[in-house]
Amino acid sequence: GQQLNQSPQSMFIQEGEDVSMNCTSSSIFNTWLWYKQEPGEGPVLLIALYKAGELTSNGRLTAQFGITRKDSFLNISASIPSDVGIYFCAGQWKGAQKLVFGQGTRLTINP
Amino acid sequence: GAGVSQSPSNKVTEKGKDVELRCDPISGHTALYWYRQSLGQGLEFLIYFQGNSAPDKSGLPSDRFSAERTGGSVSTLTIQRTQQEDSAVYLCASSLGVSETQYFGPGTRLLVL
Repeated sequence: GQQLNQSPQSMFIQEGEDVSMNCTSSSIFNTWLWYKQEPGEGPVLLIALYKAGELTSNGRLTAQFGITRKDSFLNISASIPSDVGIYFCAGQWKGAQKLVFGQGTRLTINP
Repeated sequence: GAGVSQSPSNKVTEKGKDVELRCDPISGHTALYWYRQSLGQGLEFLIYFQGNSAPDKSGLPSDRFSAERTGGSVSTLTIQRTQQEDSAVYLCASSLGVSETQYFGPGTRLLVL
């Protein structure tokens, strides 16, 4: 099935560092979403973006809906150990209910 | 309140057997979704329900896969004559209504030997 191109696939960082990941698509999406998944759990919504150019923050997390509607990025500032997990972007077309997911970015933090 | 629950949490089966996976959505949520997550991959849409109807079942990989929802609540995903490539985590999500935030359950980990 169609997936978004998410990068990087994995990141190994030191505690306290900032993190940036992004997703690109050949399709225009109406909504961009960022989820986090921890082992043995389902994805949990972090940030939802609904307008091109929108920049939204949730604590140390900041995400933007690209102006072309074909990309989005997620930044995590001052990473802490509980940020460890797999981060997924997801796009949703106008009028569609299903989400299209990226392949995920696995974040590992060295204390 | 209770989140989305799924059962069983793990299922090991032999190739060729049928399996049933169950999803209990959040109470009051009218929309229900099934996704599949293969190892190291993102989620792949299978089917979604609005009430008991499935307006979009475009993601079901083959006719061995079917799903139903009864009473606007519980949903069952059935895989007939399982194959090894069916091994994956099957995730269910529900939302209050269409285009609302989707809340995911913990998934059922299926291993076909």
